[in-house]
Amino acid sequence: RKEVEQDPGPFNVPEGATVAFNCTYSNSASQSFFWYRQDCRKEPKLLMSVYSSGNEDGRFTAQLNRASQYISLLIRDSKLSDSATYLCAVSSGSSNTGKLIFGQGTTLQVKP
Amino acid sequence: DAGVIQSPRHEVTEMGQEVTLRCKPISGHDYLFWYRQTMMRGLELLIYFNNNVPIDDSGMPEDRFSAKMPNASFSTLKIQPSEPRDSAVYFCASTSGGLRFFGPGTRLTVL
Repeated sequence: RKEVEQDPGPFNVPEGATVAFNCTYSNSASQSFFWYRQDCRKEPKLLMSVYSSGNEDGRFTAQLNRASQYISLLIRDSKLSDSATYLCAVSSGSSNTGKLIFGQGTTLQVKP
Repeated sequence: DAGVIQSPRHEVTEMGQEVTLRCKPISGHDYLFWYRQTMMRGLELLIYFNNNVPIDDSGMPEDRFSAKMPNASFSTLKIQPSEPRDSAVYFCASTSGGLRFFGPGTRLTVL
């Protein structure tokens, strides 16, 4: 079993739709969680950190469920520009300075 | 700041040749990471350094791969000899404990 798993998709949604991605992790000792966005042929860029209490940044909401060992990303009112691959990342340490294990990524295609 | 700089951006080589990938982290960052990304395996951590010292190289696939960080502003990842299965995008990333920034990557093709 992979340490971090995601449904690769693709998720094809119309503009304005709400879409949610889940990511499961196997190491119960994991302390830090992140969502990255990767555009085609580009490097991953941090979208948002995921906090225990859940957090929101505009149209994006991230949540953590430690009991079930998964994190989620919700995108509301999706835009064409949201089309990308979304990678979840899990750190085994308490900070962002140690090993960061990435999921395979979930591809989102927002259509007009 | 120019961000993480990697060179070359593209490399095409023949099986058996030595390949050297280069990375300049963001000034002031004391952690440097090398990742490899393929369609089949996704983004894999190969090795990371803290203050120029290798901390964890458990992701380095085999002895053909080696990485060095002779100073705070430069790191190399070397593959010798290269094989077609090494074809991938190799990313370097750096952080000082906050955000982790990735370089643009080196797209390696081994024929």
